Amino acid sequence: DGGITQSPKYLFRKEGQNVTLSCEQNLNHDAMYWYRQDPGQGLRLIYYSQIVNDFQKGDIAEGYSVSREKKESFPLTVTSAQKNPTAFYLCASIRQGSSYNEQFFGPGTRLTVL
Amino acid sequence: KQEVTQIPAALSVPEGENLVLNCSFTDSAIYNLQWFRQDPGKGLTSLLLIQSSQREQTSGRLNASLDKSSGRSTLYIAASQPGDSATYLCAVSDTSGTYKYIFGTGTRLKVLA
Repeated sequence: DGGITQSPKYLFRKEGQNVTLSCEQNLNHDAMYWYRQDPGQGLRLIYYSQIVNDFQKGDIAEGYSVSREKKESFPLTVTSAQKNPTAFYLCASIRQGSSYNEQFFGPGTRLTVL
Repeated sequence: KQEVTQIPAALSVPEGENLVLNCSFTDSAIYNLQWFRQDPGKGLTSLLLIQSSQREQTSGRLNASLDKSSGRSTLYIAASQPGDSATYLCAVSDTSGTYKYIFGTGTRLKVLA
């Protein structure tokens, strides 16, 4: 079955630690996105990538970093510079060039700072 | 800057009712609009996508309409069921070619048995 997987489902971070969230898709989609969701708020875009080895900052990129070495993978690193990282993180992908540009989401990773 | 608003923020209805969820956006230059469902602690499930040239889309008991000129979309749910209880989000993508979506804050729906 095609889809997007995110791991781990739950992640705990100590102060000063960097942590990496995994996002993998086997949909052969070109574009991938990372969002952050806080209680009572909509999704906010962190980073996105439309092609391998290229990515762009979203609205709230400070304290985060990404890489896109393979089409299938778009890991997100939450660095110690992110002062309030506790949130639900969602990865999404879109097949560019289609007439619909429908967005598909993974199951999410919940990050908690201890 | 595009802003997306969803009203009401929460809604409780008895089972069997037909209901309407609203989504409004400030910039009518959109590429498409997508409605999602989110269950607690889960990812988003795509329900319906409406291209900017379309007026509505239907899937089962769901019907979504789009009035781009007035910046509005509605999601109509017919004969609601307890299993429809979830948060419903709408999102619009712009015409820049980046395929970025801007999300509303959602409507939390509870259907009472």
